[in-house]
Parts: sequence; structure tokens; C-alpha cells
Amino acid sequence: GAVVSQHPSRVICKSGTSVKIECRSLDFQATTMFWYRQFPKQSLMLMATSNEGSKATYEQGVEKDKFLINHASLTLSTLTVTSAHPEDSSFYICSASFQGGEAFFGQGTRLTVV
Amino acid sequence: DAKTTQPNSMESNEEEPVHLPCNHSTISGTDYIHWYRQLPSQGPEYVIHGLTSNVNNRMASLAIAEDRKSSTLILHRATLRDAAVYYCILSFSNSGYALNFGKGTSLLVTP
Repeated sequence: GAVVSQHPSRVICKSGTSVKIECRSLDFQATTMFWYRQFPKQSLMLMATSNEGSKATYEQGVEKDKFLINHASLTLSTLTVTSAHPEDSSFYICSASFQGGEAFFGQGTRLTVV
Repeated sequence: DAKTTQPNSMESNEEEPVHLPCNHSTISGTDYIHWYRQLPSQGPEYVIHGLTSNVNNRMASLAIAEDRKSSTLILHRATLRDAAVYYCILSFSNSGYALNFGKGTSLLVTP
């Protein structure tokens, strides 16, 4: 299957700082990328959907000014957690698809805010 | 979105078949049935998907009830590496759309 790579796999940051997570589709053009968040022992929760070149669509309850999503190219989307706080500590996962095809997931990024 | 219901957990012995059930009584005619699995601290991994007919691939088989209100993921010979949370998800297109994950079934495989 296609490969989606996330970077970094783990990050620790201080409270109040911003963190950027990258999601890359390595061998296909991702017209749509999705960002999920997963708290311990819970399921994945969709945060937002982004189409290349367009503004992201955020799920209800997700602050767009706090979770900045950029999908400027067909192979890269970024999620920036701004002014991170300990409650933002979570496992962030992206997935990517091409024109409505199968969605492939990245390996996830473990964010810890101290 | 149509909902799915799965048992919270199941247990299997290694090298035995495993049947993971999923109920989706409110499925619509255009919903595909997807199965993903997630190992600890990893992103979900695609397993299989189907619409009406049973499906087989190298990982598993998917048996879909005739009325499509339920389906069963079949692992023919469970290995320790199959221990994961298995998610049954409906989507209104042939994948590529946002997937709404439920709680899934946590599969324990014992040697």
C-alpha cells in the first residue's frame, strides 16, 4: 500500500510554545488529508479535513485558531498546535487519500506538553 | 453517520481462526464497510473493505450478511502480531472520506 509518513514521531514541548507536525504522502498525490487526535485508551477523533489548496474544514469543537492546518502541496500537510498546553498532549494521526480513494494513515505523533 | 456496534474485547488462541463481528443495522445502500486495525502507539492499518459481496485478501476475509446489517471480519489463523484494536467503520463512499472510528474490538491473542 501507499506510504504516509509523519514527523516527528514524538515531541515534547513546553507549555505555551507551538509545535508543527508534518504529514507526507511519499508515493502518491494526496488531494485530501485528514487529521485525527487520540487520547489514551480512546478511539480516534477526527479533527479536520483538508483539501490541497483550500482551507481546512474543522469538526465541531475543534479550534481552528489553535490547530492550524496547511495543505499547500499534494504531498504535504502540516498541523501546528499553537500555544500548547498540557491538555493538548495526545497522539495525533494523519491520513491521506487521492481523489476519494483509500485512505492511508501515518504512524502518528506523540505530543507531550510539559 | 450510520453507527457500528462491536464487542469491546475478544480473545483467541494463536493459530486459531478469529471471527470479529460488527452490527450496522442503519447502514445505507451506499455505505461501504471498512475494517482497520491499530497496534499500540501506531496509526491505523487498512485491513479490508467491501460493499455487498464477501471479500478476501491476504490479511483477512470479510463476510457481509445478505441484508448488510452485519458483517464479520475473519482472521484465518491468528498470530500474536494480530493483537490489536479492530475497527469496523462505515463510509458513504469507496473510502477516501473521513472515517468515524468507534471504540472497536480489542483482540487479545494468547500463545
